[in-house]
Amino acid sequence: DAKTTQPDSMESTEGETVHLPCSHATISGNEYIYWYRQVPLQGPEYVTHGLQQNTTNSMAFLAIASDRKSSTLILPHVSLRDAAVYHCILRVANYGNEKITFGAGTKLTIKP
Amino acid sequence: GPKVLQIPSHQIIDMGQMVTLNCDPVSNHLYFYWYKQILGQQMEFLVNFYNGKVMEKSKLFKDQFSVERPDGSYFTLKIQPTALEDSAVYFCASSLYSQNTLYFGAGTRLSVL
Repeated sequence: DAKTTQPDSMESTEGETVHLPCSHATISGNEYIYWYRQVPLQGPEYVTHGLQQNTTNSMAFLAIASDRKSSTLILPHVSLRDAAVYHCILRVANYGNEKITFGAGTKLTIKP
Repeated sequence: GPKVLQIPSHQIIDMGQMVTLNCDPVSNHLYFYWYKQILGQQMEFLVNFYNGKVMEKSKLFKDQFSVERPDGSYFTLKIQPTALEDSAVYFCASSLYSQNTLYFGAGTRLSVL
């Protein structure tokens, strides 16, 4: 799987909208962009994923650049519960490459 | 979202003993995974499993490790014998198809003394 680059840490305040960037300059055409988050002592939680179009769900909005070389996970009106390590992961969208590979991610800290 | 259950949440054993970690995956899922995370470090892929077979394993999946899912019951990770460096949190995950979303359990913390 191609490599992603994320900032080590970010900080925000409750109620703000957070933009978490991810760079994936060598992404292949058949790779999805996945986002997971993990809080201490818990397993990774699926947030969202996309291929080319922007996507939205109850947790977040994923904005994908038109050239797909970068993406941004947007978390509206964050609360203390959104504090976690956020992982941006590329995953090949075909059979034979099932696993996902985690990096260090971005540690998001939320202040009251 | 879909739930993956891991039993027990914490296991303490003496070095050299055998341990079995149990995972109850999402009911209709077909692909199963184990990951290892040492405190403060990144999640590391161990193995994935489909149709009764190991599909891929990493260098961390030592000869002392084995996985199975007998008769569609728990998906298990067995370590025999255990070593001090096996102390970590082990996460199980499952997905419906190989390219679908992985859902993770809360992990089993293994402490080898």
